Amino acid sequence: AQSVTQPDIHITVSEGASLELRCNYSYGATPYLFWYVQSPGQGLQLLLKYFSGDTLVQGIKGFEAEFKRSQSSFNLRKPSVHWSDAAEYFCAVGARRNDYKLSFGAGTTVTVRA
Amino acid sequence: DTEVTQTPKHLVMGMTNKKSLKCEQHMGHRAMYWYKQKAKKPPELMFVYSYEKLSINESVPSRFSPECPNSSLLNLHLHALQPEDSALYLCASSQSNPNEKLFFGSGTQLSVL
Repeated sequence: AQSVTQPDIHITVSEGASLELRCNYSYGATPYLFWYVQSPGQGLQLLLKYFSGDTLVQGIKGFEAEFKRSQSSFNLRKPSVHWSDAAEYFCAVGARRNDYKLSFGAGTTVTVRA
Repeated sequence: DTEVTQTPKHLVMGMTNKKSLKCEQHMGHRAMYWYKQKAKKPPELMFVYSYEKLSINESVPSRFSPECPNSSLLNLHLHALQPEDSALYLCASSQSNPNEKLFFGSGTQLSVL
């Protein structure tokens, strides 16, 4: 079964600074990988996903992520953070088959200071 | 319309009450999901409906009863809940399986007294 680890529980970053959130996955084959964001009191919104092809994936809100098979990682980055990026970020992995279960990481809380 | 609409947004109920959570989408999605999310935790899958048939039940207690009346609607019937069932209940939908994009509603915040 697939699993995801997000090593950072909480990250604080200054507005305008860069942000990187780490995600490591465990899965025997090439996985489907996702980053979702959740603002307080809201549902989750997909930022980006990776299935195959170019290992650098562009998403919404200026985010990008890089798939590194050798490191089993799918880290999320943003060059310049805005105050509105303060939220909970979840990495998730799905199996390469018709599987209705996604495995979510524990999440990383991002705080943006002025 | 790319929204998943959940009602009510907030619900407070006693342990002897019966209530229902509702979820609606008009994107033509054929898979719909119920997730439970405790504060500061990831969402946990409860149920999946695929083409209006229950596909997955993650060993959820019978006090939670899902229903999919048609392809656009998903209900979660609640009866005799416990205080530990207090959580954010999220509905989601996808075109087929969740390796397609999952669209989430904003959830129902449930408090059981």
